[in-house]
Amino acid sequence: KNQVEQSPQSLIILEGKNCTLQCNYTVSPFSNLRWYKQDTGRGPVSLTIMTFSENTKSNGRYTATLDADTKQSSLHITASQLSDSASYICVVSLKTGANNLFFGTGTRLTVIP
Amino acid sequence: GAVVSQHPSRVICKSGTSVKIECRSLDFQATTMFWYRQFPKQSLMLMATSNEGSKATYEQGVEKDKFLINHASLTLSTLTVTSAHPEDSSFYICSARDNGRFVANTGELFFGEGSRLTVL
Repeated sequence: KNQVEQSPQSLIILEGKNCTLQCNYTVSPFSNLRWYKQDTGRGPVSLTIMTFSENTKSNGRYTATLDADTKQSSLHITASQLSDSASYICVVSLKTGANNLFFGTGTRLTVIP
Repeated sequence: GAVVSQHPSRVICKSGTSVKIECRSLDFQATTMFWYRQFPKQSLMLMATSNEGSKATYEQGVEKDKFLINHASLTLSTLTVTSAHPEDSSFYICSARDNGRFVANTGELFFGEGSRLTVL
């Protein structure tokens, strides 16, 4: 069964601290993995997209890793800011099929001063 | 960057009325668009896949007569919630794949800002 699981469900950290969000998947055949940031009441915004051959990709203070062998991905946020408070969603794509996206349930991050 | 626009962003309607939500890709063409529903503190739930020029594909449990989808052009898909009831109140989000950058499913997927529907 194709599934995407994220952990933790929620996380509270102090401003300026780092944190790491996890995404494990069982989707196969794998095409790519995306991390999105969704502010409350807004649509998701893409942070990174990673294909099978990519291990690490950075976007500012966000760094995503992918281990295609263990089917795990992480999103590391460095020097967190209050504006990082949001839900972070992991989306995994199959190689085939029009309806081929699998969404994680998201991690709700709260950054406090 | 690519932009997907949804309209309206918020709508309040009376029970029994129908509401139409538009999803437009502003600077790219999208053969395929997706419609999602999101309840508070939950992730997106795919409702249907909208295909330009053909019928939408609905997920299991989603009533096609309740949620009418029309994808009349490469830049516009609409979702109509027919005979809305309070339980239809939710956050509806669309997304679109950029045809020009869609190669072997690695193309970027862009989301709209969402439409919050409240049915009284």
